Amino acid sequence: GENVEQHPSTLSVQEGDSAVIKCTYSDSASNYFPWYKQELGKGPQLIIDIRSNVGEKKDQRIAVTLNKTAKHFSLHITETQPEDSAVYFCAASIISSGSARQLTFGSGTQLTVLP
Amino acid sequence: NAGVTQTPKFRVLKTGQSMTLLCAQDMNHEYMYWYRQDPGMGLRLIHYSVGEGTTAKGEVPDGYNVSRLKKQNFLLGLESAAPSQTSVYFCASSYLSGSGELFFGEGSRLTVL
Repeated sequence: GENVEQHPSTLSVQEGDSAVIKCTYSDSASNYFPWYKQELGKGPQLIIDIRSNVGEKKDQRIAVTLNKTAKHFSLHITETQPEDSAVYFCAASIISSGSARQLTFGSGTQLTVLP
Repeated sequence: NAGVTQTPKFRVLKTGQSMTLLCAQDMNHEYMYWYRQDPGMGLRLIHYSVGEGTTAKGEVPDGYNVSRLKKQNFLLGLESAAPSQTSVYFCASSYLSGSGELFFGEGSRLTVL
C-alpha cells in the first residue's frame, strides 16, 4: 500500500518568514495530494490540494508543488502569521470516478509561528 | 449546518468494555470514514462506507466494527476495548464526486485503562 513520509515533525519560524513542509510518497499510481491543517482541539481542514496533472498550485499565501518523477510534494507558506500555527498533514491517494477517498496521511508537522 | 458531529467527545473505558461512537453528517454526503489519530502516526483509516448499508475495511480495522444503517450516520463500535485503542477518533465525510475534500468532525478522545 501507499506510504507517506513527512518532514520535519516540528518547525518554528519567525512571523513574516516562509515555512516549507515536505512529503514523499511510495505509490506511483497516487494522483491526488491534499494538505490539511489541524488547529488545537479541532478536526483537520483542507487548505489546498493538487492533482498529478499539475506541477504547482497557489492560493494566496500558500502553495503546493509536486514532483511526480521524484514522488515528492511540498507545502509552502509565505509571510507566516500567528494564526498559521497548527499541525499540518500531507496525504496521498488514488482518485478515480466514484471511488472513496482513501487517503494515506503523513505523520504531521507542528508549525509554530513566533511573534 | 452542523457539518460532521461526533458523540461522545470524551470517554474513559476499562479493558474489555464495549462502546459505540456515533458520527452524524447533515451534508448529504455519500462517503463516510473513521480515522484514528495517534502521536507521530498521522491519521489512519479504520473503516469507511460508500453508501447506506455498505462498509469496507481500511488500514487498521482489527478490533473495530462499523455500521451505516442510515445515510447520515456512521457508527464505530469497540466490542472489547484494549489499551492499544486509546486514541483520538475522527469521523469524516465526502461527496461521491467533486473535489475529494474530506470534512472532519472535531474528534472523540477515548482512553482505555
